[in-house]
Amino acid sequence: DAGVTQSPTHLIKTRGQQVTLRCSPKSGHDTVSWYQQALGQGPQFIFQYYEEEERQRGNFPDRFSGHQFPNYSSELNVNALLLGDSALYLCASSLMERTNTGELFFGEGSRLTVL
Amino acid sequence: KQEVTQIPAALSVPEGENLVLNCSFTDSAIYNLQWFRQDPGKGLTSLLLIQSSQREQTSGRLNASLDKSSGRSTLYIAASQPGDSATYLCAVRIAGGTSYGKLTFGQGTILTVHP
Repeated sequence: DAGVTQSPTHLIKTRGQQVTLRCSPKSGHDTVSWYQQALGQGPQFIFQYYEEEERQRGNFPDRFSGHQFPNYSSELNVNALLLGDSALYLCASSLMERTNTGELFFGEGSRLTVL
Repeated sequence: KQEVTQIPAALSVPEGENLVLNCSFTDSAIYNLQWFRQDPGKGLTSLLLIQSSQREQTSGRLNASLDKSSGRSTLYIAASQPGDSATYLCAVRIAGGTSYGKLTFGQGTILTVHP
């Protein structure tokens, strides 16, 4: 049973560029959430996707956008990269019907460095 | 706004000691609380999930308690081992509204167990 998989694992971009990160949820899960974790901090919620729609959003600018595909996989896009966007980006999956009681399962993350 | 605090920020103990990590949250209206482990540069591994109606959960050498009314949780690790060295994060799931299972994290406790 595959867990949550993310790609790429590491990437380096320069300021002003755009980046796309990808996530495949755990088998049987239909909901994907994205979190940003700066060095030495706890993860911060970016947004959550279910049924190909953004259901909830954290305190992040519109430069952060996402998409969910019919197979439940998801992408996180960040435009006009800033140095402060350097972080570990974590994807978590869950079941919507257990959205309030079930566990969230996280992937290994994508480490983004902006130069 | 829910805030989660973890004390201590860092802890160093000799192998074999029993230890307690603390987590406090400001809003007691939660669905559940989840403890995670994070190795350097890696993703999050779920350790224990406690529902709001529960008082504690146990898994092997780990025991987590929840006192929702006082906004506190503790993670007890028995007979610590060097392999337990990692960052431990607690996260709460906010109840009500359209939270859709969003987790709010503490900043973590960095645990070092030395031989």
